[in-house]
Amino acid sequence: AQKVTQAQTEISVVEKEDVTLDCVYETRDTTYYLFWYKQPPSGELVFLIRRNSFDEQNEISGRYSWNFQKSTSSFNFTITASQVVDSAVYFCALSEANYGQNFVFGPGTRLSVLP
Amino acid sequence: GAGVSQTPSNKVTEKGKYVELRCDPISGHTALYWYRQSLGQGPEFLIYFQGTGAADDSGLPNDRFFAVRPEGSVSTLKIQRTERGDSAVYLCASSLGAIAGTDTQYFGPGTRLTVL
Repeated sequence: AQKVTQAQTEISVVEKEDVTLDCVYETRDTTYYLFWYKQPPSGELVFLIRRNSFDEQNEISGRYSWNFQKSTSSFNFTITASQVVDSAVYFCALSEANYGQNFVFGPGTRLSVLP
Repeated sequence: GAGVSQTPSNKVTEKGKYVELRCDPISGHTALYWYRQSLGQGPEFLIYFQGTGAADDSGLPNDRFFAVRPEGSVSTLKIQRTERGDSAVYLCASSLGAIAGTDTQYFGPGTRLTVL
């Protein structure tokens, strides 16, 4: 069955520090998709990235980068030079290609970036 | 508007009452999803529609919950005989299609339901 684990419940860093949010997943499918969403205090989930299981290339987008490793079933997210505006809850999610559109979200990691 | 909209933003009701929550997806998106998010947890899948039909309703907790999308656009989540345990934020999302797992879901701001 699908499962997403985000072991870090809460993380606090000081502005300009780098921070990595961990995501470990379980799936029975060979084709699947991984996502990260940000939920700021306003509450609306904001899409950050989608990755398919056949593409293990790491991706960088500005201060954000993602490290996908199938060997360890992990899809970790790093914020470089964190800013106060990065404070939010971050969710990792998994969708299996052969089992429909049922997204499974992890429990989330609350990131607090202190000035 | 450009994004997914949900109304009302907040709903307070009494135990045993009936409520309706509305979702207006992004124009042109054929797939629509409902999730429930309890405090401190990730969103939990309830149901998804491809067009007018419910393609997967396996996440609905019981028969008090029902959702419709009669014209393939706006959707309404209906909860009968509400219970205090139904209190949560109900999120709606839409995606361009429903090619299994490929489509990114875009979320609305949610409806916070409080059952007293």
